[in-house]
Amino acid sequence: SQTIHQWPATLVQPVGSPLSLECTVEGTSNPNLYWYRQAAGRGLQLLFYSVGIGQISSEVPQNLSASRPQDRQFILSSKKLLLSDSGFYLCAWSVIGNGYTFGSGTRLTVV
Amino acid sequence: GQNIDQPTEMTATEGAIVQINCTYQTSGFNGLFWYQQHAGEAPTFLSYNVLDGLEEKGRFSSFLSRSKGYSYLLLKELQMKDSASYLCAVRDGLSSGSARQLTFGSGTQLTVLP
Repeated sequence: SQTIHQWPATLVQPVGSPLSLECTVEGTSNPNLYWYRQAAGRGLQLLFYSVGIGQISSEVPQNLSASRPQDRQFILSSKKLLLSDSGFYLCAWSVIGNGYTFGSGTRLTVV
Repeated sequence: GQNIDQPTEMTATEGAIVQINCTYQTSGFNGLFWYQQHAGEAPTFLSYNVLDGLEEKGRFSSFLSRSKGYSYLLLKELQMKDSASYLCAVRDGLSSGSARQLTFGSGTQLTVLP
């Protein structure tokens, strides 16, 4: 069966510190992978998506970057966090013809 | 681009029926999804419509009218555990390759009262 793992579940980081969130999927090959962010009480905003290793598309200019070093691994990073980077970060995967399956999410608080 | 509208909040009574509406304006369309999201958790898939009409799945049904840019999620026999945010999402028909993207509405917070 297909599963998606995302960690950590919660994170508190000071302004200006780096960030690395990891997402891995199992049970599928060549998935499309996505990073979304959800601010409190808001909808999901697409940040990055990837259709293959090393292929990253950015949806919004911001303080974040993404990488896909392996087929089933998707990483969200920042060199210096801002207060506005706080939010609920969700990794998701999809295969052609199907919807999205989300990871359990990371709640990031920048202080 | 995509613009998706749904009510911010709704309240209903346990055992009742509630209809959550969603309207969208899109530059391309390749399906509409409904997700349920409990507080602090990830969204979970509820339903998918790509053709006009009603899709029924147990207590949950979803309707789509592509000509009107309109969908609704119908929840029957409401239970307390149905209290959650319900997200409408549209998959565009324009993104290249296989990475069809979902654009989400802001969600409708449903509160089920005893």
